[in-house]
Amino acid sequence: GAGVSQSPSNKVTEKGKDVELRCDPISGHTALYWYRQSLGQGLEFLIYFQGNSAPDKSGLPSDRFSAERTGGSVSTLTIQRTQQEDSAVYLCASSLQDSYEQYFGPGTRLTVT
Amino acid sequence: QKEVEQDPGPLSVPEGAIVSLNCTYSNSAFQYFMWYRQYSRKGPELLMYTYSSGNKEDGRFTAQVDKSSKYISLFIRDSQPSDSATYLCAMSARNSGYSTLTFGKGTMLLVSP
Repeated sequence: GAGVSQSPSNKVTEKGKDVELRCDPISGHTALYWYRQSLGQGLEFLIYFQGNSAPDKSGLPSDRFSAERTGGSVSTLTIQRTQQEDSAVYLCASSLQDSYEQYFGPGTRLTVT
Repeated sequence: QKEVEQDPGPLSVPEGAIVSLNCTYSNSAFQYFMWYRQYSRKGPELLMYTYSSGNKEDGRFTAQVDKSSKYISLFIRDSQPSDSATYLCAMSARNSGYSTLTFGKGTMLLVSP
């Protein structure tokens, strides 16, 4: 079956612009996670969704970052007024409720110039 | 001290060698331990997961957890060039019914033919 998909695969933007990153989870997966992977760093948790609600936003690095999920499916991560330090690979993962098996998408590589 | 420590490598071995990859952690609440494999420019792929202490084997891969030492290992037997990737350990403590994963930074493995 189809895995987790993310779009775009690559995004180059100018400092100060807003960007939207999209994640399509595996059908039937109620849990959705966003992570950030910077060069030389591990995966950094950003936000978790269960259905359309986000009970844990503790990893969002600043108020320039926000995310939403609609219809219990697609999620969008928005970064406003991008900064160079936002350059990273943004990964989305989904899982069945209460499962530890998270399935990752290929990521969106964001470059802020 | 980081919650999860992992040697970044690279670890270079000849084809057929036995590979040992390791992580240490400091949070005694971690109960679920996972190993992910990440090929270049791809999302992480779940290889194995174990609960609490002990060993788990799957084909050429063996995961080992020693909670008393806060140390986990992944062994790869008869390593192949296709095993060349970055290996990420990840851990979770049960929390409100979902599993935020804490990742190591990953160890890059290079298997030469």
